[in-house]
Amino acid sequence: NAGVTQTPKFQVLKTGQSMTLQCAQDMNHNSMYWYRQDPGMGLRLIYYSASEGTTDKGEVPNGYNVSRLNKREFSLRLESAAPSQTSVYFCASSRGLAGYTDTQYFGPGTRLTVL
Amino acid sequence: AQSVTQLGSHVSVSEGALVLLRCNYSSSVPPYLFWYVQYPNQGLQLLLKYTSAATLVKGINDFEAEFKKSETSFHLTKPSAHMSDAAEYFCAVSDRGAQKLVFGQGTRLTINP
Repeated sequence: NAGVTQTPKFQVLKTGQSMTLQCAQDMNHNSMYWYRQDPGMGLRLIYYSASEGTTDKGEVPNGYNVSRLNKREFSLRLESAAPSQTSVYFCASSRGLAGYTDTQYFGPGTRLTVL
Repeated sequence: AQSVTQLGSHVSVSEGALVLLRCNYSSSVPPYLFWYVQYPNQGLQLLLKYTSAATLVKGINDFEAEFKKSETSFHLTKPSAHMSDAAEYFCAVSDRGAQKLVFGQGTRLTINP
């Protein structure tokens, strides 16, 4: 099993450009998450999807949109990139069993720089 | 809202010494607690988790953590540090049954030979 995969690994954008970060998991998990990691701030939740067909905002959703394409895939879109969105982005997934807080499994991350 | 504080953004110990990484949470009811580790240029992986069974939780690579309700703490320890333990460590908290985690700011552990 590949676990959680993310593409691309690195990306450089100019301010105002758009891009989509892709995430896929092969563990048949229900729940998927997008985080951003910034120095000294830990990981902050951008959006999550408790199950296929549902998405909800996390702590820092402004400037981002998501799509839960199917059970396996959860994409993150930056419509008009800003330098403040320079960060490392992680996708994660979990079984998402009702009433139970399960382990989250993380992808390797996408390092995004916005000039 | 849940929150978690990790004391010390950077901890340095000698190889073979005790590792102690501190985590305190704020919650009106006992939450679920997690420690994750991030090796350089990798994603996070679970070290251990507390979900209201035994208060002393053992994880991978000889790490363990003790849930202390009276101190609202979940500190991570390892008796003897190894060079391969150099990484960033994150404490995370969740309401029981919730799917979302709230992460601390992380502690970077350096091991000196």
